[in-house]
Amino acid sequence: AQTVTQSQPEMSVQEAETVTLSCTYDTSESDYYLFWYKQPPSRQMILVIRQEAYKQQNATENRFSVNFQKAAKSFSLKISDSQLGDAAMYFCAYRSGDNAGGTSYGKLTFGQGTILTVHP
Amino acid sequence: NAGVTQTPKFRILKIGQSMTLQCTQDMNHNYMYWYRQDPGMGLKLIYYSVGAGITDKGEVPNGYNVSRSTTEDFPLRLELAAPSQTSVYFCASIGFFETAPQPQHFGDGTRLSIL
Repeated sequence: AQTVTQSQPEMSVQEAETVTLSCTYDTSESDYYLFWYKQPPSRQMILVIRQEAYKQQNATENRFSVNFQKAAKSFSLKISDSQLGDAAMYFCAYRSGDNAGGTSYGKLTFGQGTILTVHP
Repeated sequence: NAGVTQTPKFRILKIGQSMTLQCTQDMNHNYMYWYRQDPGMGLKLIYYSVGAGITDKGEVPNGYNVSRSTTEDFPLRLELAAPSQTSVYFCASIGFFETAPQPQHFGDGTRLSIL
């Protein structure tokens, strides 16, 4: 079974600064996907960024980027030019590749989450 | 397009009561999932379904039951509610025909308190 670990229960950053959230995972699979989700106080689960394991290039979405180190099984999220609206709980999640088996399709394994506070 | 709809949004139950959390999606998705999120924690998979009539257990299925009689609906039933089932429950879905890697589409959650 796969596991996802977020070792930082809480992080804080000043507005306009950069912060990096850590995530490590354990798997024996070679084909998988990784995601970062944002959960604001409204409870919504909002996809921030996604990474396919077969892609060497790190994913970027505007101010959000990842540092994907497949050999080290590390998947950190960097938020640049932090904004007050970035304050939320952030979850790292793992999903097996589509060839892992029909009944495994789409299942997500989540880390424990990191609470991000943004100071004005 | 409503996406994934969960009802109710909040509920308080007494110990030993039963209830059904409703989940419906209008995207014709094959795969549906129920997760629970305990305070300050990540989501854990309770049950999932790969299509109408097919369900299977996830990581934390004890105390719950599910059914999938239609593609659209995936209700989660709690029998004999216990305080340990106090949590926020999320329903999610994904369509196999969507280009990978599509994330799951989440409902807004149901906050359930067992007192």
